[in-house]
Amino acid sequence: EDQVTQSPEALRLQEGESSSLNCSYTVSGLRGLFWYRQDPGKGPEFLFTLYSAGEEKEKERLKATLTKKESFLHITAPKPEDSATYLCAALNTGGFKTIFGAGTRLFVKA
Amino acid sequence: EAGVAQSPRYKIIEKRQSVAFWCNPISGHATLYWYQQILGQGPKLLIQFQNNGVVDDSQLPKDRFSAERLKGVDSTLKIQPAKLEDSAVYLCASSFSSGETQYFGPGTRLLVL
Repeated sequence: EDQVTQSPEALRLQEGESSSLNCSYTVSGLRGLFWYRQDPGKGPEFLFTLYSAGEEKEKERLKATLTKKESFLHITAPKPEDSATYLCAALNTGGFKTIFGAGTRLFVKA
Repeated sequence: EAGVAQSPRYKIIEKRQSVAFWCNPISGHATLYWYQQILGQGPKLLIQFQNNGVVDDSQLPKDRFSAERLKGVDSTLKIQPAKLEDSAVYLCASSFSSGETQYFGPGTRLLVL
């Protein structure tokens, strides 16, 4: 069965303290791996799409990487405004079905 | 470019009542999705449309949920009758085509009492 697992469930960082969020996936053929940011009371906001192992994408303090089994979202020198829930989702090649993980809730303290 | 629009933003109903949600996708997007997001969980796909045809509705509780996209543009999701466990955020998303990046609306927050 297709599955996406994110860890940790919650992460508390001090401002400037770099860290990584993990997304492990098991799908019947990966077509794409997506990262979204979700603020309280809002819909998910698109961040990155990764298509093949070894691919990396960056945006400001965020960098997403992909291997054959997992993806990482690296946050460098985070700021309080980076506090949000980060969701990853895997799209399989079979039915074009997107499976979301439960998310990692990130709290960055000034 | 206008984003995905949803209404209402909030709805409170009593169990066994009915409720409907509306979604207008980004112009030109052929694929439309409805997700259910329970507090503390990731979005769960309920139904996916390609133009006005259903691509996947395997996780839609068809005894109480229905959805339509008659003209291949906007869509409605209906719950009848509602149960307490339907309390959740209902998210609509759209993409240029199946398999492309999905863009989400703000969601409708439903509370069933």
